[in-house]
Amino acid sequence: EDQVTQSPEALRLQEGESSSLNCSYTVSGLRGLFWYRQDPGKGPEFLFTLYSAGEEKEKERLKATLTKKESFLHITAPKPEDSATYLCAADNAGNNRKLIWGLGTSLAVNP
Amino acid sequence: DTEVTQTPKHLVMGMTNKKSLKCEQHMGHRAMYWYKQKAKKPPELMFVYSYEKLSINESVPSRFSPECPNSSLLNLHLHALQPEDSALYLCASSGQGGNQPQHFGDGTRLSIL
Repeated sequence: EDQVTQSPEALRLQEGESSSLNCSYTVSGLRGLFWYRQDPGKGPEFLFTLYSAGEEKEKERLKATLTKKESFLHITAPKPEDSATYLCAADNAGNNRKLIWGLGTSLAVNP
Repeated sequence: DTEVTQTPKHLVMGMTNKKSLKCEQHMGHRAMYWYKQKAKKPPELMFVYSYEKLSINESVPSRFSPECPNSSLLNLHLHALQPEDSALYLCASSGQGGNQPQHFGDGTRLSIL
């Protein structure tokens, strides 16, 4: 069965303390791996799409990487405004647009 | 600012009421989605429209009725909802390619009394 697992469930960092969030997946025929950020009471905000192992994407303090089994979201020198829930989702070839979601990592960055 | 606009932002309704949620996008996307999200859970797919035609219904109860009047608009008609239907309802849109990212609105917070 296709599955996406995120770890840790929650992470608390000090401002400037870099870390990584993990998204492990077992998906047949991966077509894309998506990262989203969601603030309380808001919809998920699209961050990155990764299509193939070895691919990397960057945006400000965030960098997403992909291997054949997992994806990492690296956060460099985080700021309090990076506090949010980070969701990853996989699109597989047979699912006709139905994404397979992880449960998310809740990140809190203390000043 | 999100490019997918949802109205209203908040809605409180009784179990006998009829109401509608609205979604609009101007990104030229031809796929549109309705999701339901409960607290501390990921979004749960309800419906998918592709080129204004319903392509996926995830066995959603008939008290939820979707409508796609044109390529920019998506409605969700609500009737005789139950308290367990209280949730954040999200609309999303995407390009037609199978691996195109979905872009979400900020949702309608629905409370059923």
